Amino acid sequence: EAGVVQSPRYKIIEKKQPVAFWCNPISGHNTLYWYRQNLGQGPELLIRYENEEAVDDSQLPKDRFSAERLKGVDSTLKIQPAELGDSAVYLCASSGEREENTGELFFGEGSRLTVL
Amino acid sequence: GQSLEQPSEVTAVEGAIVQINCTYQTSGFYGLSWYQQHDGGAPTFLSYNALDGLEETGRFSSFLSRSDSYGYLLLQELQMKDSASYFCALVNDYKLSFGAGTTVTVRA
Repeated sequence: EAGVVQSPRYKIIEKKQPVAFWCNPISGHNTLYWYRQNLGQGPELLIRYENEEAVDDSQLPKDRFSAERLKGVDSTLKIQPAELGDSAVYLCASSGEREENTGELFFGEGSRLTVL
Repeated sequence: GQSLEQPSEVTAVEGAIVQINCTYQTSGFYGLSWYQQHDGGAPTFLSYNALDGLEETGRFSSFLSRSDSYGYLLLQELQMKDSASYFCALVNDYKLSFGAGTTVTVRA
């Protein structure tokens, strides 16, 4: 079974440029998460989807960040314009009904963003 | 809000036992999870405690005490491959809130 797939793995951009990250969750997983992990810190939730609906986006900086999950499968996270402080690893995770209330998420390897 | 505290670093030799403590503050939660993350890799689920007590999974065990707002991850028979960061996370209604992580370094 394929795991959570993310791309690109690495991205270097200059500040004020746009950037987008893509995530393909595990097949059949209805819940999809985007987390941001700063160096030396734990992941912090940005947004959670149940199918195609964003059910928790309270931590998403909506002035520059946007996300979508068309058809309730793949998801894209966009930053426009990027700032120096956005340099981090952006992690996508998914979970299904079997993992409900088990605390188990399946993470991708992340997209490491460097903003110069 | 929620907060979790864990030691930033632990170093031990192969074959040793390491305990990573996690203290937390929260108004309510379903349980406490633990994740392992190798440098540059994906966080990987290790264990989940919904109830007080010890959960054992091979060389790793996890403990939760709700009355003490405290949990720990116990790594036994340490191996070089156990060198990684370990995160505790409060589980609340599909949302995980992670601690800052503990870097475990295993020496030969």
